[in-house]
Amino acid sequence: GENVEQHPSTLSVQEGDSAVIKCTYSDSASNYFPWYKQELGKRPQLIIDIRSNVGEKKDQRIAVTLNKTAKHFSLHITETQPEDSAVYFCAAEGGKLIFGQGTELSVKP
Amino acid sequence: DVKVTQSSRYLVKRTGEKVFLECVQDMDHENMFWYRQDPGLGLRLIYFSYDVKMKEKGDIPEGYSVSREKKERFSLILESASTNQTSMYLCASTDPGTRSPHGELFFGEGSRLTVL
Repeated sequence: GENVEQHPSTLSVQEGDSAVIKCTYSDSASNYFPWYKQELGKRPQLIIDIRSNVGEKKDQRIAVTLNKTAKHFSLHITETQPEDSAVYFCAAEGGKLIFGQGTELSVKP
Repeated sequence: DVKVTQSSRYLVKRTGEKVFLECVQDMDHENMFWYRQDPGLGLRLIYFSYDVKMKEKGDIPEGYSVSREKKERFSLILESASTNQTSMYLCASTDPGTRSPHGELFFGEGSRLTVL
């Protein structure tokens, strides 16, 4: 079955810097790759997603890139702000949605 | 706004007790899911359901069962709670439409279960 590996597990950046979180997946049939953000004490919420027919997608300060050949995808956050501090989960779907282990992002003012 | 409501935010149970976690969604979604969240392990799928009275095992179903008698309600049952089931449990629902089998997952706020 699908396996999703996410790195790093923790990430600390200064406000204004960029943050990158990377995920790899094992099932080449996976074709949908969402990213969820979970603020402390709150529920996970979808922030961006990408499908296998697209290599990159942007939404304001966040972007996701997908390399199907290498089976990895990444979340890029530019001009980070303290409110970006949260746990971020990647996921891959090829029938079932499988989540990565999560990355705790801390943005220091 | 989609609302997914989990009946209990915090529960403390004793080993061997039967535990019910209830989840209700108000958007007529067909698909409902139960995940378990543990630090360093992400969200792991316990059970899911694509229709009333239908259920499928996820990746970690051992020690759990589910019930979906009505479309809006999906219950997770721990028949005999054990200490290794201490965790945060998240319910989610989605209406797949034509985008993917899952579409956007809408999560409840979670139920933190402690088994002593």
